[in-house]
Amino acid sequence: GAVVSQHPSRVICKSGTSVKIECRSLDFQATTMFWYRQFPKKSLMLMATSNEGSKATYEQGVEKDKFLINHASLTLSTLTVTSAHPEDSSFYICSANRVSGQPQHFGDGTRLSIL
Amino acid sequence: AQSVTQLDSHVSVSEGTPVLLRCNYSSSYSPSLFWYVQHPNKGLQLLLKYTSAATLVKGINGFEAEFKKSETSFHLTKPSAHMSDAAEYFCVVSDPGYGGSQGNLIFGKGTKLSVKP
Repeated sequence: GAVVSQHPSRVICKSGTSVKIECRSLDFQATTMFWYRQFPKKSLMLMATSNEGSKATYEQGVEKDKFLINHASLTLSTLTVTSAHPEDSSFYICSANRVSGQPQHFGDGTRLSIL
Repeated sequence: AQSVTQLDSHVSVSEGTPVLLRCNYSSSYSPSLFWYVQHPNKGLQLLLKYTSAATLVKGINGFEAEFKKSETSFHLTKPSAHMSDAAEYFCVVSDPGYGGSQGNLIFGKGTKLSVKP
């Protein structure tokens, strides 16, 4: 079946550091990938839709300059949390559609902890 | 606007007993509905989906859900709980009239299922 790989699975770093998270579709091409944020004991919040070869579409309230998204190829999207602060600590999850409109396949998530 | 309401934040059952996780939705169009499961510190795994075909949908691991338009419900059930079913479950709606082919998903707040030996 379709597999979405997310790396790293866990990051612990100091405040002010920029952190890059990768999301790869391993056995299919994904023109669209999605980035979610999940707070403790909360549901997933869509942050942005990553479009291959064009700018990402951000949800209302999500800072574009804070959360940089690059979708350079049909199998890779990256989320960079710039100048991370403790309030950015969260669980970040990516997903992708094998076929547009079909159920999304999710990565295993990245636990980001900013000290 | 679309919305999803999971009526119980926490459900606890004994192993071998039935599971019922409740979900109600609100949508302006004919929605696609999904149930996803999330184990601790993991991503989401699709259990089953409803996309306007049969109203009773069978998924993986013995789970099934019934789409009831008159009740705007999509409850998840399993006849007999297993210890490995303990996880967080999310009811999700994808509205074709919202976000189009981008597949925007609206998540419920989740139901934590605990299974007692």
